[in-house]
Amino acid sequence: EPEVTQTPSHQVTQMGQEVILRCVPISNHLYFYWYRQILGQKVEFLVSFYNNEISEKSEIFDDQFSVERPDGSNFTLKIRSTKLEDSAMYFCASSVERTTYNEQFFGPGTRLTVL
Amino acid sequence: KQEVTQIPAALSVPEGENLVLNCSFTDSAIYNLQWFRQDPGKGLTSLLLIQSSQREQTSGRLNASLDKSSGRSTLYIAASQPGDSATYLCAVRPSGTYKYIFGTGTRLKVLA
Repeated sequence: EPEVTQTPSHQVTQMGQEVILRCVPISNHLYFYWYRQILGQKVEFLVSFYNNEISEKSEIFDDQFSVERPDGSNFTLKIRSTKLEDSAMYFCASSVERTTYNEQFFGPGTRLTVL
Repeated sequence: KQEVTQIPAALSVPEGENLVLNCSFTDSAIYNLQWFRQDPGKGLTSLLLIQSSQREQTSGRLNASLDKSSGRSTLYIAASQPGDSATYLCAVRPSGTYKYIFGTGTRLKVLA
């Protein structure tokens, strides 16, 4: 069964460093998303992406964050200068369409630890 | 602003029991509602999606209902098993958006 994959599973970085989290969405999906979950808190939406453009973003997704689809299969989230409060589990998701059905399928997540 | 609440926060039941998990949301203007399962340290597994025009969806031992006007959904799990132990998350997609807004989840433990 097709699934969303994410690498790495765990990333440790120093405060102020740049990190890139990678995702491979399900192959025929056209809509891509990033969410995050700080330990013990709710899953929060960061950004949605379609046709090489951001279609929606949250207040969390400030200038420190960027997303890119560098080729036909990968979808990346870059954090330019990490802060301690960026430590969280980051989930990538994809969906085949954006109609009212829009079932989103999530990857296993990347745990980001900022020291 | 859409808020999603799940009750109870935690639940422990003996194997074989039927159980109900509750989800409520403050704004009825939604496209759909999705139930997920999350195992510790793992990703989110989609269980059921209910469109705003639907009243319920079933998959195996799971049945989810939606009462959009009252802002409520329930997830019914029949004949619970220890393998059902996980956190169950409810998420709504507000009308006019692409995002899902999640509840805090119900942590379920099914005792053998």
